[in-house]
Amino acid sequence: DIQVTQSPSSLSASVGDIVTITCRASQTISIFLNWYQQKPGKAPNLLIYAASNLQSGVPSRFRGSGSGTDFTLTISSLQPEDFATYYCQQSYSTPRTFGQGTKVEIK
Amino acid sequence: QVQLQESGPGLVKPSQTLSLTCTVSGVSISNSNYYWSWIRQPAGRGLEWIGRIYTSGSTNYNPSLKSRVTISEDTSNNQFSLKLSSVTAADTAVYYCARVSIWFGELSSYHYMDVWGKGTTVTVSS
Repeated sequence: DIQVTQSPSSLSASVGDIVTITCRASQTISIFLNWYQQKPGKAPNLLIYAASNLQSGVPSRFRGSGSGTDFTLTISSLQPEDFATYYCQQSYSTPRTFGQGTKVEIK
Repeated sequence: QVQLQESGPGLVKPSQTLSLTCTVSGVSISNSNYYWSWIRQPAGRGLEWIGRIYTSGSTNYNPSLKSRVTISEDTSNNQFSLKLSSVTAADTAVYYCARVSIWFGELSSYHYMDVWGKGTTVTVSS
């Protein structure tokens, strides 16, 4: 299985901050990497697919980048509704695997 | 508008079989542009991919669960289902169904889960 490791596991930030979350795959996966946002008690919501493609309806402050083994999700100006847990997920091979999550909390 | 809705017992006894159904509306599960997946999440923990089914009926499962999992489709009712046998307390989780869409890039096709059900909580306990 491809292991996907996110960092940090949690962070505290203020509204307006730039937030960066990283995801590292245990082997090269080209751009087969997706990002999801999950709020408490809700299902995950797709933000980015194929490393850098913004899902329809997702605000442009979310940006994905990277290829190979290293990927980044950047939130350019954190908004109150962005406080949530973020997961990366590889779609290079089955079984699909997720990172352990990054919880973004209010400072 | 595409919607997915999980249904099934919220409580299952140890050693029994967990059975869940995902009812899809707004798109046919026979549409060859999509796969259909199950994912679970124990309370306070991360997401675990269980498996997927394609319109042809072909399936892929997580090896960690493979001997216990069956995903099937019911095209007449536009549903797909999950069966997980010999459950233990470790199978207690929120179970989600999701649609897997495909983007055809320049070099390859890329899969992503773009529509999710709300999730259903399954507790394994006697």
